[in-house]
Amino acid sequence: DVKVTQSSRYLVKRTGEKVFLECVQDMDHENMFWYRQDPGLGLRLIYFSYDVKMKEKGDIPEGYSVSREKKERFSLILESASTNQTSMYLCASSPSGTAQRTDTQYFGPGTRLTVL
Amino acid sequence: RKEVEQDPGPFNVPEGATVAFNCTYSNSASQSFFWYRQDCRKEPKLLMSVYSSGNEDGRFTAQLNRASQYISLLIRDSKLSDSATYLCVVNGGGSYIPTFGRGTSLIVHP
Repeated sequence: DVKVTQSSRYLVKRTGEKVFLECVQDMDHENMFWYRQDPGLGLRLIYFSYDVKMKEKGDIPEGYSVSREKKERFSLILESASTNQTSMYLCASSPSGTAQRTDTQYFGPGTRLTVL
Repeated sequence: RKEVEQDPGPFNVPEGATVAFNCTYSNSASQSFFWYRQDCRKEPKLLMSVYSSGNEDGRFTAQLNRASQYISLLIRDSKLSDSATYLCVVNGGGSYIPTFGRGTSLIVHP
């Protein structure tokens, strides 16, 4: 069974703090994703990585950065947390795909981040 | 990236009913299609892939209509446990990045 784990289920931070969210997958997947999910807005892609040290911006990268130093680990960094970054953050991974197809995504349990 | 659209619902149905959801997509070059299920406060999980020839898994049937650019999900004999949000996902068409619909909420009541 594919397992995607996230470092915290719940996190409370203060405005201006630097926040690290970590995601680890154990199935040697090439692709990893960070999303945020807000009521009424669905899943929105923040960043995507298709290989170690490679990253692409998603739909809403502003205020976020990412790091992928090892294949199994993809970190999301909030450089200076703000209240509008309060959200559910979901990490996902998938096996390699061509530009025409991408395989099934497997999601972690999510981190509910509250910024006060 | 192009869009994927779903009726947000909620679809409120009694146990035993048959219910169908559609999802339209705008990128005609899309190659692969999925339905995910998301329970309240949980992560999305793959429900089923959608093949050109259709796909059936027990009470669930998914179909693809390329000409009209939509996929559908049919649930027969609804159970209380089917209550969830159903997310449509469309992949490919020149991008590694899958596109998610905003989801359709289903509530099955006794």
